Amino acid sequence: ETGVTQTPRHLVMGMTNKKSLKCEQHLGHNAMYWYKQSAKKPLELMFVYNFKEQTENNSVPSRFSPECPNSSHLFLHLHTLQPEDSALYLCASSQIKAYNEQFFGPGTRLTVL
Amino acid sequence: RKEVEQDPGPFNVPEGATVAFNCTYSNSASQSFFWYRQDCRKEPKLLMSVYSSGNEDGRFTAQLNRASQYISLLIRDSKLSDSATYLCVVKGDRDDKIIFGKGTRLHILP
Repeated sequence: ETGVTQTPRHLVMGMTNKKSLKCEQHLGHNAMYWYKQSAKKPLELMFVYNFKEQTENNSVPSRFSPECPNSSHLFLHLHTLQPEDSALYLCASSQIKAYNEQFFGPGTRLTVL
Repeated sequence: RKEVEQDPGPFNVPEGATVAFNCTYSNSASQSFFWYRQDCRKEPKLLMSVYSSGNEDGRFTAQLNRASQYISLLIRDSKLSDSATYLCVVKGDRDDKIIFGKGTRLHILP
């Protein structure tokens, strides 16, 4: 079982659809993250969960709604997205300590039509 | 000044050569520094952490210069498989303040 898995790997949705991205980590970590990676832009941290509690929301529009039911699972619920939301959405996990390595999942490539 | 800045490249380097690139950061309170590697259409993976005393792992050497607020990555005897984008990552004084650079693209030429 690989460390961090994400489903689906590819998603095409219309602007009126509602969909969810799923992330699962098998590493025993206690922090999980959602990132957005767009072409020619750096990775943007969207949300952080430490011990299932959301500790960071970097001014992400409300059409993105995270959910962390336990320390191994993380969801990103999507609704009424815009074409500019098309990007690679990466999930990561880590231990919470001073020098922590983040392990990334393979990402979900999202296209909004 | 951007929080984390990297030369986007691409750096086109012949196989076997030595290549180095830097990353500057703006927050002097930054605590942790990392280099990640991202292959085309793949997820980022940790290459190495950057410690105050420097860090060497085989052909790779990372260094931190707090006075000038930059970190560096040196690759010796470059291989074709080193072709990738190298991401500089800076973590602030909070566990969740993590900033990625845009990355430096490296192409190793046969």
